[in-house]
Amino acid sequence: GNSVTQMEGPVTLSEEAFLTINCTYTATGYPSLFWYVQYPGEGLQLLLKATKADDKGSNKGFEATYRKETTSFHLEKGSVQVSDSAVYFCALTLSGGSNYKLTFGKGTLLTVNP
Amino acid sequence: DAGVIQSPRHEVTEMGQEVTLRCKPISGHNSLFWYRQTMMRGLELLIYFNNNVPIDDSGMPEDRFSAKMPNASFSTLKIQPSEPRDSAVYFCASREGQGRYGYTFGSGTRLTVV
Repeated sequence: GNSVTQMEGPVTLSEEAFLTINCTYTATGYPSLFWYVQYPGEGLQLLLKATKADDKGSNKGFEATYRKETTSFHLEKGSVQVSDSAVYFCALTLSGGSNYKLTFGKGTLLTVNP
Repeated sequence: DAGVIQSPRHEVTEMGQEVTLRCKPISGHNSLFWYRQTMMRGLELLIYFNNNVPIDDSGMPEDRFSAKMPNASFSTLKIQPSEPRDSAVYFCASREGQGRYGYTFGSGTRLTVV
């Protein structure tokens, strides 16, 4: 089946530190990959996506590269801010047929201290 | 675009009562998903619809849960009778296309069953 494994949190960083949240996946086909962010008390928001190997998704200073050879989609940011404190979810979906559903990792809580 | 609209935002009910959660997807999105989020189990897909037709309801926990999508602009998730273990945040999401474009989530309904 399809699954997503992301590093367990919580992750606590100081402002301006470098962030990496690891994500690996298994899929029965060729997935599209996503990172979602959930701020306290809110729903999930799409942060970035990549739909084919070697694509790099980027948004708000965050980046992730679709690595088919290592089945990974690690999230990075060079300098985090307090406002980046949230839960981050890695996810995949397979297009076509009945595989419309989005499969999520368990989420990683990031806390950035001033 | 108002996004995916869920109501109510918060619901507190007594055990045994019927609860109905509502969702209005983004106009033009042809797929709709109901997720449940808890600390213990993370994000769980309950059911999803494509063109108003239920495609996969294998995530619905038991017969007390039912979902309908009478038209393209409205869906309900009903729990009857409700139990304390149903307490969670319930998210609705909608999507355009065949899975490569991510989902748009609503802000969720926080359900507390006492």
